[in-house]
Formats: sequence, C-alpha cells, structure tokens
Amino acid sequence: SQKIEQNSEALNIQEGKTATLTCNYTNYSPAYLQWYRQDPGRGPVFLLLIRENEKEKRKERLKVTFDTTLKQSLFHITASQPADSATYLCALGDYGQNFVFGPGTRLSVLP
Amino acid sequence: ETGVTQTPRHLVMGMTNKKSLKCEQHLGHNAMYWYKQSAKKPLELMFVYNFKEQTENNSVPSRFSPECPNSSHLFLHLHTLQPEDSALYLCASSQEGGASRDTQYFGPGTRLTVL
Repeated sequence: SQKIEQNSEALNIQEGKTATLTCNYTNYSPAYLQWYRQDPGRGPVFLLLIRENEKEKRKERLKVTFDTTLKQSLFHITASQPADSATYLCALGDYGQNFVFGPGTRLSVLP
Repeated sequence: ETGVTQTPRHLVMGMTNKKSLKCEQHLGHNAMYWYKQSAKKPLELMFVYNFKEQTENNSVPSRFSPECPNSSHLFLHLHTLQPEDSALYLCASSQEGGASRDTQYFGPGTRLTVL
C-alpha cells in the first residue's frame, strides 16, 4: 500500500542553523510534491511545489529537493528563526486523482 | 486571511444532533475539498468537488453528507456522529481539482467535538 513517512514527529534545532526535513514514500509514483506549513489551530499554508522532472526549487530561505530514485524529498530552511516553528507537511500527487498528505514533522527552532 | 472561511470555528454536538459546517472561498476557484485531521494522524481527504460536481468520496461514512450549491460554497452536513468523529475539519479550495491537483488554500478549520 502507499505510504508516506516524514523523518520524525518532532525536530528541535538552534536558531540560525539549517533545518532539514525529510519526506519518504513507497509504492507511489508522484507527478509532483508539495510542502505546507501548519500552525496550531490553523489550516495548512502552501509553501512550495516541485514536479517529478525538477531536482530543486528555492524560495527565499526555503529549498526543496526531489529525488525520484531515492523516493525522497528534502525540505531545508536556512538561517532558521523561532518564527519558523510549526508543523511541516509534505503532500504527493500523481497524474490521476491520488493526492495524499504525510503525517507531518513538528519543527521547533530554539532561540 | 487565506480567502477561505469556515464556520463555525468550534462545534460541540451530541451523537443524536444534526449540524452543518460551512465553507466559503473568495478566490474564484473551481475545486473545493473537505479534509479530516485527527490527532497524530495525517490529513485525510474526504470529498472533492470540481465545478460543483463531486468527483471523489474516499469511503466516507454516510453520516457525513457534503453539499456544494456553487463553486464558492461547500457544506458538510453531520448527523448521528460518533465520538471518534471528533477532529479538525478543514476545507480547502484550488483552481482546479482534477489530475495534477493545484496548490490548495485551506480555511482555518472547524474543531468538532462529539460527546
């Protein structure tokens, strides 16, 4: 069955460091992958989309990589700030109707 | 504000009650979605509407009944719910809801508690 895993339920890093979050999938052939941020009690907010033929996407301090051989996406936040603390969700979609979210990683950036 | 509003934000209901959740999007999108988010579980897609037509129903129990009168409004009618239905119910919209699903814009959610 299709499975999406995000590296850990929670990740703590020091302010100023680079946070790296992982999204791994099995039994799935995604056409694209998205990353969302969710704050407590709020709906997810879209951050970045990367397609299967793209290796890397950047947006300000955010960088996403997509390796379809490893079946993995990495999400990096450089120069992390306490305001980056949130839950980050990856979501995969294929060319059909399949679209599924991962369980999320709760990131805490410590001052 | 994301352009997607949901009411009410919090709802407590008994198992015999009937209630409705409302979602409205002001983004001119053609697709709308209902998701369920339970503690410690991934977001679960419940229903998809594309141009007012339901295109997906992911084996959702019939005690949840969606309604989409137009592309801007989406309802989720609830009746005879169970305590395990307690969760955050999120509405989302996107430009289109077909293959290669677009960026989704989420509302703030309705926190539902079933007693």
